Order: sequence, then C-alpha cells, then structure tokens
Amino acid sequence: GEDVEQSLFLSVREGDSSVINCTYTDSSSTYLYWYKQEPGAGLQLLTYIFSNMDMKQDQRLTVLLNKKDKHLSLRIADTQTGDSAIYFCAEAGGFKTIFGAGTRLFVKA
Amino acid sequence: KAGVTQTPRYLIKTRGQQVTLSCSPISGHRSVSWYQQTPGQGLQFLFEYFSETQRNKGNFPGRFSGRQFSNSRSEMNVSTLELGDSALYLCASSALVAGGDTQYFGPGTRLTVL
Repeated sequence: GEDVEQSLFLSVREGDSSVINCTYTDSSSTYLYWYKQEPGAGLQLLTYIFSNMDMKQDQRLTVLLNKKDKHLSLRIADTQTGDSAIYFCAEAGGFKTIFGAGTRLFVKA
Repeated sequence: KAGVTQTPRYLIKTRGQQVTLSCSPISGHRSVSWYQQTPGQGLQFLFEYFSETQRNKGNFPGRFSGRQFSNSRSEMNVSTLELGDSALYLCASSALVAGGDTQYFGPGTRLTVL
C-alpha cells in the first residue's frame, strides 16, 4: 500500500546543515512535497519537486529526489533556531496526498 | 489572496455530542481536503471534495462526514464524539482539477473531547 516514512527526530546545532530524509512507496506519484509545521499552526508549504526532477534548490533549501530508490531528502543550510518545527514529507498523485509522520527538528543554539 | 480559514479555532465537547467544523478555501480553489492530526497517528486523510462531490475518502468510521457547498466552502461533521476524536483537524485547499496539486493548509481546529 501507499506509505511515506520519515525518521521522527533530528537535532542539529545552529549554523549546521540539517538533512531530513523520507522514503515513499508509490512510484506513480507526480509531486513530492515538504511542509513545515510550527507549534499550534497548520502546515506551511516549503517546497515541492516534480517526479521527473532530481534536484531543486530554493535559497537555503535543497531537495534531492532519487526516484529509483523512492528516496526524498530536504537539506536546510545554515540552520537557525527559527527552523525548529516538524517537517512533513508528502507524495501526491491521483486525488490524494499521503503524508509522512513528520520529523521534529530541534535546533540547538 | 486570503489564505485558508477554519472556524472555530478551538472547541471543547463531551463524549456523545456532535460537532461541525468549517473551512473556507482560498478564493478560486475548488478542492478541499480534511485531515486529522494526532500525536500518535500523525496526519491522517479524512476526505476530499471537489465541486460539491466527495472524490476520495480515508479509512475513518461513518461518524465522520463532510460536505462542500457551491461556493467551495466545506464542513466536516463528527457525530457521537469519542475521547479518541480529540485532535487537530486541518483543512487544505488546492486549485487544479487534476490530482497531485499543491495543497494549502488552514491553521486547524483543535477539538478536545472530554
């Protein structure tokens, strides 16, 4: 069945790079997304990548997609304390979007 | 453009009661999806509506229902509330007709069932 898996926690020091990984199962997914959720808030779209791309860069964010291994990663350069949040990976195709459980990123000052 | 709005933001109910949550999508968006978020289960898909029709449904009991109006606003109803229904209910809207399009989320309604 469809499933999206992420590690639950990641801790980094301020200024370091963070890499959040995700694996998905549906090879027909058209889009893959990264969302950010801060405490008490809804999900905020960070970036997305089409399934026919390998990489996308957007300021401090770099998304890498390995379609063969169904592996998606989000790299945050120069991580700041304001980046502390839960990051959700999601795959979309057809009429629904499947979300991972979220990775909680802790940024230590 | 205004974002997705959800009302109310917070709600406290008791077991056995029913509740209706409301979602107004971004102007021009015709697809509205609902999700339940709990610490233990993460983000679970409830259902998706497009042009007043339910296109997709998750694995939730019949106590959870929804509808969409002609102006794309959507409501979600939970009847006979259980303690386990306590969660953050998120609504998301998207613009395109086809699937896989980007979803924009509202702030959520936090439901507490006592």
